[in-house]
Amino acid sequence: AQSVTQLDSQVPVFEEAPVELRCNYSSSVSVYLFWYVQYPNQGLQLLLKYLSGSTLVKGINGFEAEFNKSQTSFHLRKPSVHISDTAEYFCAVTLNNAGNMLTFGGGTRLMVKP
Amino acid sequence: KAGVTQTPRYLIKTRGQQVTLSCSPISGHRSVSWYQQTPGQGLQFLFEYFSETQRNKGNFPGRFSGRQFSNSRSEMNVSTLELGDSALYLCASSLNARAVNTEAFFGQGTRLTVV
Repeated sequence: AQSVTQLDSQVPVFEEAPVELRCNYSSSVSVYLFWYVQYPNQGLQLLLKYLSGSTLVKGINGFEAEFNKSQTSFHLRKPSVHISDTAEYFCAVTLNNAGNMLTFGGGTRLMVKP
Repeated sequence: KAGVTQTPRYLIKTRGQQVTLSCSPISGHRSVSWYQQTPGQGLQFLFEYFSETQRNKGNFPGRFSGRQFSNSRSEMNVSTLELGDSALYLCASSLNARAVNTEAFFGQGTRLTVV
């Protein structure tokens, strides 16, 4: 079975600073990887996904992530954060034959300070 | 187009009661998945329905059940509620049955409180 670990439960950062949110996964087969964002009292919104091809994936709101198969990681980055990026971020995986079933990490709360 | 609609948004129930939550997917979407979100366990997959058939089921007791109607709307039911069932229940709507081919759109959730 696959699993996802988000190494940081909270990441405080000052506005306009760069940020990296870490995600590691475990699976014996190939996986597909996703990052979602959840704003307070909202559902989840897809930021980006890696299916195949280029290991650097660009998403919405200036976020990007890099797939590293040897390190089984899929870290999310943004070069300059805004106050509005304050939210909870979830890394998720699925398998090719798993339909729409997503396995989520525990989440990382990004807190952007002025 | 309208997004995923979950009703009700908030619900308070007493232990031992049962509850039914509803999810209307985006028009044209045929797959509906349900997730439970709690501070302790995070986001956990409950089940997925596609064209009225349950395709996948998570590791939850039989008290949790669901169904999907011919118009793709879905309901989930929890019987004999326990305090630990208090959670945000999220519904996700997808065009087809494979996450790799389509994006999952989430509703705002139903916050269930069991007292």
